[in-house]
Amino acid sequence: QQQVKQSPQSLIVQKGGISIINCAYENTAFDYFPWYQQFPGKGPALLIAIRPDVSEKKEGRFTISFNKSAKQFSLHIMDSQPGDSATYFCAASRGTYKYIFGTGTRLKVLA
Amino acid sequence: DAGVIQSPRHEVTEMGQEVTLRCKPISGHNSLFWYRQTMMRGLELLIYFNNNVPIDDSGMPEDRFSAKMPNASFSTLKIQPSEPRDSAVYFCASSLGTSGGYEQFFGPGTRLTVL
Repeated sequence: QQQVKQSPQSLIVQKGGISIINCAYENTAFDYFPWYQQFPGKGPALLIAIRPDVSEKKEGRFTISFNKSAKQFSLHIMDSQPGDSATYFCAASRGTYKYIFGTGTRLKVLA
Repeated sequence: DAGVIQSPRHEVTEMGQEVTLRCKPISGHNSLFWYRQTMMRGLELLIYFNNNVPIDDSGMPEDRFSAKMPNASFSTLKIQPSEPRDSAVYFCASSLGTSGGYEQFFGPGTRLTVL
């Protein structure tokens, strides 16, 4: 019940396309859902986060869609660019420091 | 701000040796985390400090691992003796608060290889 399942494991998208990464969770007590972006040789960095009281949050080309009833949330990257090529992790928290991370999605955007 | 600083960036050691990883959190942050990242297990929280006090060490794999935070600006993660299965990237992160709404800022990591 503590798991966060992330898919796909890897994703290849053409420049200008939409990248979609999905996550699912079981524990309804989770109340904070961040997405982290990690470039090779770097630590993860917070990209965008959402709480379950909203169904969507947008920051620039990045959007989180949240479906509370389905216990799913997804990251959409619009107009994907080669510079977006990185590994993306979803995570969930029960209002505490303890993040449960997904297994990661390696995104490659082709020029 | 320089962000979270970790040293060394890379460490290669032989099985049985002691390994010490170092972390300097962002100034003013009161929470510090040590994570381990592997292909098999992903990102795992090892230990969490709040105001220099270890609060949750339930993720520490076994007694060979120990962590200290002698002051607000320095923490160490020690593995003694090291084993090949400890090979991973170890991240230190810090945050301003302890709830899930506070961003955790990660350092660049230490890539540990135990031969």
